[in-house]
Amino acid sequence: TQLLEQSPQFLSIQEGENLTVYCNSSSVFSSLQWYRQEPGEGPVLLVTVVTGGEVKKLKRLTFQFGDARKDSSLHITAAQPGDTGLYLCAGAKGNTPLVFGKGTRLSVIA
Amino acid sequence: GAGVSQSPSNKVTEKGKDVELRCDPISGHTALYWYRQSLGQGLEFLIYFQGNSAPDKSGLPSDRFSAERTGGSVSTLTIQRTQQEDSAVYLCASSFDGTNSYEQYFGPGTRLTVT
Repeated sequence: TQLLEQSPQFLSIQEGENLTVYCNSSSVFSSLQWYRQEPGEGPVLLVTVVTGGEVKKLKRLTFQFGDARKDSSLHITAAQPGDTGLYLCAGAKGNTPLVFGKGTRLSVIA
Repeated sequence: GAGVSQSPSNKVTEKGKDVELRCDPISGHTALYWYRQSLGQGLEFLIYFQGNSAPDKSGLPSDRFSAERTGGSVSTLTIQRTQQEDSAVYLCASSFDGTNSYEQYFGPGTRLTVT
């Protein structure tokens, strides 16, 4: 059973376009993390959201945690080729190991 | 300071052989995690060490997989009698402690290919 569903699985867009990727679950999480992974490297944490309804911004990236703490979204404004990578969400329940989604593979074409 | 390092970066082995993968966590981090990432899949949790506590082995897929952490630092993941389905990238991560409040820092992974 995949606790965290990410969509879309693949996304290819032109530089300058906006995009949103989603991370959905039927489970409630105490917090949710977003990571970006580039080829040949491990994932790097982008943000942690903790409070239902919370919105965090990181330059052109906007992260939102759902009110019920079951889902999250990542919106990128004016995508750049440097945004290319695999975006993973991971949910935390107490101190049990993080549960990762399968990721959204983003390709931004110049 | 130095990040999480893993060795080897790539390993090709024949089916049935044993392999050992090594992880050097960030100094001072008490929590250490092993994950497996197969093509097109997310990260699959394997095992978690926290300080001197008994490890959480709930993610190990079979008894061919084992891991140890010596002296609360370096960890080795051992896969015995490797199978082709073991082919994947094995990622190690460490964090300041085992609570999910702290960021996990990942190594670059070991790409294992079983032929």
